[in-house]
Amino acid sequence: ETGVTQTPRHLVMGMTNKKSLKCEQHLGHNAMYWYKQSAKKPLELMFVYNFKEQTENNSVPSRFSPECPNSSHLFLHLHTLQPEDSALYLCASSQPRSPETQYFGPGTRLLVL
Amino acid sequence: KNEVEQSPQNLTAQEGEFITINCSYSVGISALHWLQQHPGGGIVSLFMLSSGKKKHGRLIATINIQEKHSSLHITASHPRDSAVYICAVSYYSGGGADGLTFGKGTHLIIQP
Repeated sequence: ETGVTQTPRHLVMGMTNKKSLKCEQHLGHNAMYWYKQSAKKPLELMFVYNFKEQTENNSVPSRFSPECPNSSHLFLHLHTLQPEDSALYLCASSQPRSPETQYFGPGTRLLVL
Repeated sequence: KNEVEQSPQNLTAQEGEFITINCSYSVGISALHWLQQHPGGGIVSLFMLSSGKKKHGRLIATINIQEKHSSLHITASHPRDSAVYICAVSYYSGGGADGLTFGKGTHLIIQP
């Protein structure tokens, strides 16, 4: 099993729903990342957390709300999403140095109806 | 903002062929990363390069910092190498952890 786990693996939600994606890493890392992969588009960075502090927000709409309660857990809270938010959401972790190899979770495939 | 260009976007080859995938970027970076993504979405980091060349099994990655260009080579390709190969760059963000900027990926199919 990968050192980075994500739950759920698949999620279908309506535009008025509120849901959360969870990421957990068992690698002892202190940096965690959220990425989005939409169909036919390159992967794109959403958020970076380093030692539980958000260090980068890549102009992500406020309907996506990240939370990092400790260095091992990362959440992405979703509310009032749009169908164009349907995508694969990937979490990654690394040592908090620059540069460092990132280790990816399997992703959550989200469908917004 | 860094632009990352990959070529080719699609590549079909016969088993045993030597494969080259190219990547270029526009501004200074802290490192260049080659990633592999299999159907289903899982991503594995193959290499992280700041200079020179790295080899792992049948995979070789090179980078030319002056020309802002990197190549990923696969020797003696095999059908199990079929995947999407993604080039990504990291840049010093000042926060100690650098997010990645990605190319569009190269969809590689190796036929038996």
